[in-house]
Amino acid sequence: DAEITQSPRHKITETGRQVTLACHQTWNHNNMFWYRQDLGHGLRLIHYSYGVQDTNKGEVSDGYSVSRSNTEDLPLTLESAASSQTSVYFCASSESGRLKAFFGQGTRLTVV
Amino acid sequence: DAKTTQPPSMDCAEGRAANLPCNHSTISGNEYVYWYRQIHSQGPQYIIHGLKNNETNEMASLIITEDRKSSTLILPHATLRDTAVYYCIVRVKGGGSNYKLTFGKGTLLTVNP
Repeated sequence: DAEITQSPRHKITETGRQVTLACHQTWNHNNMFWYRQDLGHGLRLIHYSYGVQDTNKGEVSDGYSVSRSNTEDLPLTLESAASSQTSVYFCASSESGRLKAFFGQGTRLTVV
Repeated sequence: DAKTTQPPSMDCAEGRAANLPCNHSTISGNEYVYWYRQIHSQGPQYIIHGLKNNETNEMASLIITEDRKSSTLILPHATLRDTAVYYCIVRVKGGGSNYKLTFGKGTLLTVNP
């Protein structure tokens, strides 16, 4: 069965370190999205991609970057982790032009 | 971009129908309405979507008013496992002919025994 997986599920890192969160989907979807979720803010869009070599900034993109070198993967990189980036991160994918999206299980990131 | 308004919370008795309203009075003629839910600490889950006709699937029914300014998600026989935050989303243009998925605050539905 097709799926979308995130790794790691939990990570603790130190302030200032570079961190990469992985997202891999086997749906062959062109669209992929990254969100963060914090208490009081709900789900906020960080970056999204509509296909290979395409990336776009969401509403909270500062301090994050993504690259799309193939259809299956959209890794999220925190260039220099900050305590404000402690959050739960969700990845999602959908077909082009559609918003029936499938979400990963989430990655809980703690920056100390 | 069309915005949505949902009540912050609702309660429902187990076994009864849960009717979750959503107002989207600024919706355009070609914008779809999507519903998702998020059970505590899990990733959001797609439920249903529609344009103007009522829709039904194995999870829920979606009723869209004739003027399309509001919709109601119906869970016909709510169970305790339906306790979740429910999000009503209007498809938002993200660039070209593609769209992005943007979440509001949603409605916390609590199903009580």
